[in-house]
Amino acid sequence: GESVGLHLPTLSVQEGDNSIINCAYSNSASDYFIWYKQESGKGPQFIIDIRSNMDKRQGQRVTVLLNKTVKHLSLQIAATQPGDSAVYFCAGSSGGSYIPTFGRGTSLIVHP
Amino acid sequence: KAGVTQTPRYLIKTRGQQVTLSCSPISGHRSVSWYQQTPGQGLQFLFEYFSETQRNKGNFPGRFSGRQFSNSRSEMNVSTLELGDSALYLCASSRGRQISTDTQYFGPGTRLTVL
Repeated sequence: GESVGLHLPTLSVQEGDNSIINCAYSNSASDYFIWYKQESGKGPQFIIDIRSNMDKRQGQRVTVLLNKTVKHLSLQIAATQPGDSAVYFCAGSSGGSYIPTFGRGTSLIVHP
Repeated sequence: KAGVTQTPRYLIKTRGQQVTLSCSPISGHRSVSWYQQTPGQGLQFLFEYFSETQRNKGNFPGRFSGRQFSNSRSEMNVSTLELGDSALYLCASSRGRQISTDTQYFGPGTRLTVL
C-alpha cells in the first residue's frame, strides 16, 4: 500500500515570508498528487495537483514540486498571508486506483 | 453553483446506536466519496459511489455502509456505534469521469460524537 506523511506537524512563519511544506510518499507507483488546505471548521479545499510526468506546477502564489527519485513533494506558498493559516494535506493515488492516501497534515501558522 | 452540503453538521449518539449521514453533491457531479477524519488517523477513505454503485471501498468494517440515489445524493450509515467512531465525516463530490484525476470538492463535514 501507500503511505503519505508530512515532515513537520507545525510550521510558523511571518507574514510576507515564503512557506514550504513537505510531504513524502512510499509507493513509487503513485502518479497523482494533490495538496489540500483545511481551515478550522471546514472541509479540505483543493489547492493544486500534479501528475508524476511533471516536476513542477505553479498556481496563484503556490508551487508544487515533485521529486520522484526521493519520493518527495513540497508545497511552496509565496508571500504568506494570515489567511493562509490552516492545515495542509498532501494526498497521493496510484495507477487506476482511486483510493487516495492522505498525510496527517501540517499546521501552518502565519504571524502578522 | 452551490457547494457540497452535509447534514446534520453535528450529531451525538451513544454506543450501540446507528446513525445516518447525508451528503448532497455539487450539481452535475456523479461521484460521491466519504472520508473519516480523526486526530489520530488523519483523513481515511471510506468508500466512493458513482451512478448509484459503490465503485471503490477503503478498509473499514462492514458496520460502515453507504448508498447513492439517482439524483447523486448519498447517505452513509454506521451501525452499532463504538466510541472510536467519533470523528468528522467528510463527503466529497467530483464529476466522476476519470476517477484518478478528478478534483474532489469537500463538504464541511458532520461531527459525530459517540458517548
